[in-house]
Amino acid sequence: GIQVEQSPPDLILQEGANSTLRCNFSDSVNNLQWFHQNPWGQLINLFYIPSGTKQNGRLSATTVATERYSLLYISSSQTTDSGVYFCAVKDYGGSQGNLIFGKGTKLSVKP
Amino acid sequence: EPEVTQTPSHQVTQMGQEVILRCVPISNHLYFYWYRQILGQKVEFLVSFYNNEISEKSEIFDDQFSVERPDGSNFTLKIRSTKLEDSAMYFCASSGYRGDEQYFGPGTRLTVT
Repeated sequence: GIQVEQSPPDLILQEGANSTLRCNFSDSVNNLQWFHQNPWGQLINLFYIPSGTKQNGRLSATTVATERYSLLYISSSQTTDSGVYFCAVKDYGGSQGNLIFGKGTKLSVKP
Repeated sequence: EPEVTQTPSHQVTQMGQEVILRCVPISNHLYFYWYRQILGQKVEFLVSFYNNEISEKSEIFDDQFSVERPDGSNFTLKIRSTKLEDSAMYFCASSGYRGDEQYFGPGTRLTVT
């Protein structure tokens, strides 16, 4: 099955810094989503981005489907950005739509 | 904005007991999913449901698990006889079409003692 790798596994930032999180996947995808898991465990949808670039406030994401990676950019980080960021993909294969998640990047933003 | 809801937010049960986790997907969505996340680990797919039947399930989804859409709005996950290792966060999700963006509920934290 498709493999999803996220890097770095852990990231510590000072408030106000910028960061880039990466998601590599091993096969063609027709769905890629980024999530933020907050301290209460909720999964917050950030982006649905199987290809191209999107922006939402201080966050933006780019997926280069032909090269099998996606990047999540966080600018001017705030302490509320802390949590785990997951990338999840669905391949073009026979699965009925379930997402395969990476192991996540744990982000800690210090004041 | 429409959202997926789940109840209860936290459930504590004793080993061997049956639990039913409830979800209300977004109303015009056709595909429904259950995922789980053991504490500190990644989110794993359990089962997908379309047109009133299971369309795919993972190895985790054994005979102890079942899903049902008892009416036009609810989608439930039943664990017949809970084990300690069933302790996890369970997420329900829905999408309009296969491959579309999936919208996740806030999760139910299940603790088996």
